[in-house]
Amino acid sequence: RKEVEQDPGPFNVPEGATVAFNCTYSNSASQSFFWYRQDCRKEPKLLMSVYSSGNEDGRFTAQLNRASQYISLLIRDSKLSDSATYLCVVNRGSTLGRLYFGRGTQLTVWP
Amino acid sequence: EAGVTQSPTHLIKTRGQQATLRCSPISGHTSVYWYQQALGLGLQFLLWYDEGEERNRGNFPPRFSGRQFPNYSSELNVNALELEDSALYLCASSSGMSSTDTQYFGPGTRLTVL
Repeated sequence: RKEVEQDPGPFNVPEGATVAFNCTYSNSASQSFFWYRQDCRKEPKLLMSVYSSGNEDGRFTAQLNRASQYISLLIRDSKLSDSATYLCVVNRGSTLGRLYFGRGTQLTVWP
Repeated sequence: EAGVTQSPTHLIKTRGQQATLRCSPISGHTSVYWYQQALGLGLQFLLWYDEGEERNRGNFPPRFSGRQFPNYSSELNVNALELEDSALYLCASSSGMSSTDTQYFGPGTRLTVL
């Protein structure tokens, strides 16, 4: 079983739409959670960290359910500039240091 | 504040050659991570260096190696290049204060093996 699983999409939505991405992780010892955004042939950039209480940053809302080992990202009022691949990322902490990446969910927002 | 930098941007090698990739972390960061992103695949963890020591290694053969210098910059070496090594190699850095620190990525080195 993969460490982090995401629906690869693609998601094609019109401007102004609301879109939700889901992600599951397999290791219950995972300690920190993130959503990164990656534009075509570019490096991943941190979009937001994900906290148990849920957190919001403008049009973006992230939720974490530790019991179900499930992470979500909601994008409201989609913009053309939101078109990218969204990566669900988990850090198991301890001595590992490394990040575990999902394969990414591709989003295209059309005018 | 300058971000993570990597050089070169692109590198073209032939099978059997060696490649050296370089990374400079964000100022004040002591941890450097290397990841490989092959076409159509997710990011795969290669190596983690902190305070000059190798802390963790991904599931890659020994011909992938690296080091971290006293100024915290890092080098990734790939020996005996194979066609499958063609990929985007990403370096990330974090403050090293906690193993769950946020990692910030450089622009990557695109390695092509012919």
